[in-house]
Amino acid sequence: KQEVTQIPAALSVPEGENLVLNCSFTDSAIYNLQWFRQDPGKGLTSLLLIQSSQREQTSGRLNASLDKSSGRSTLYIAASQPGDSATYLCAVLPSWGTYKYIFGTGTRLKVLA
Amino acid sequence: DGGITQSPKYLFRKEGQNVTLSCEQNLNHDAMYWYRQDPGQGLRLIYYSQIVNDFQKGDIAEGYSVSREKKESFPLTVTSAQKNPTAFYLCASSNKTPYEQYFGPGTRLTVT
Repeated sequence: KQEVTQIPAALSVPEGENLVLNCSFTDSAIYNLQWFRQDPGKGLTSLLLIQSSQREQTSGRLNASLDKSSGRSTLYIAASQPGDSATYLCAVLPSWGTYKYIFGTGTRLKVLA
Repeated sequence: DGGITQSPKYLFRKEGQNVTLSCEQNLNHDAMYWYRQDPGQGLRLIYYSQIVNDFQKGDIAEGYSVSREKKESFPLTVTSAQKNPTAFYLCASSNKTPYEQYFGPGTRLTVT
C-alpha cells in the first residue's frame, strides 16, 4: 500500500533563506508526483508536477526533484518570502491505474519577516 | 477563465438534514474527485468519477452520495447517515496525461 510522508510537519525560517521541503513515498511505482500549496481556508493550488520519467521541474523560485528509486521528492524554495507562508502538500499518483491520488499530510511553512 | 467552482463557500445545517455541495468545472476534464479535509489530517478521498454516469467509492464513502450526469458537474450529498459531517470539502478535477489535479476553493460545512 502506497504511503506518503512529509517531514517536518511545521517549519519556521527567516526571510531570504533557501529551504527544502521533503516528501517520501513507499512504492516507487508512480505515474507522477504533484506539489501543492494551500493557504488557510482555501483550496489547493498546483505548483509543480513531475512525471515519472522526469527528474525535476522548475517554476520561478521553485524547483522540485524526484528520485523514484529512493522514494523521495524535494521542493526547493529559493530566497523565501513571507508570502511563501502556507502549507505545502505532495501527492503521488500510483502507476497501477486506479487514478486515486495519495496525499501527504503537508508541511506548514512560516517565513518570518 | 477556466476553473473549478464550489458553492456555497460556507454551509450550515442542522443534524439529521441532507445537504448537497456543488462542484462545477469548465476545464473539459473527464475525471472529478471529492475530498474531505479535517484539521491536522491529510486529504481523504470520498468519491471519484472518471467518466460521465460512472463513479467509484473512495476511502471514506459511507454517509455520502454523488452523481455524474454531466461532464462539468459532480455534486456531493452529505446524508444524515454521515456521523461527523463537519469538515472542509474540496472538489478536484484532472486532465488525461499527465493527470494533473486542479482544485476548487472548497466548502466549509458545519452541522450542529
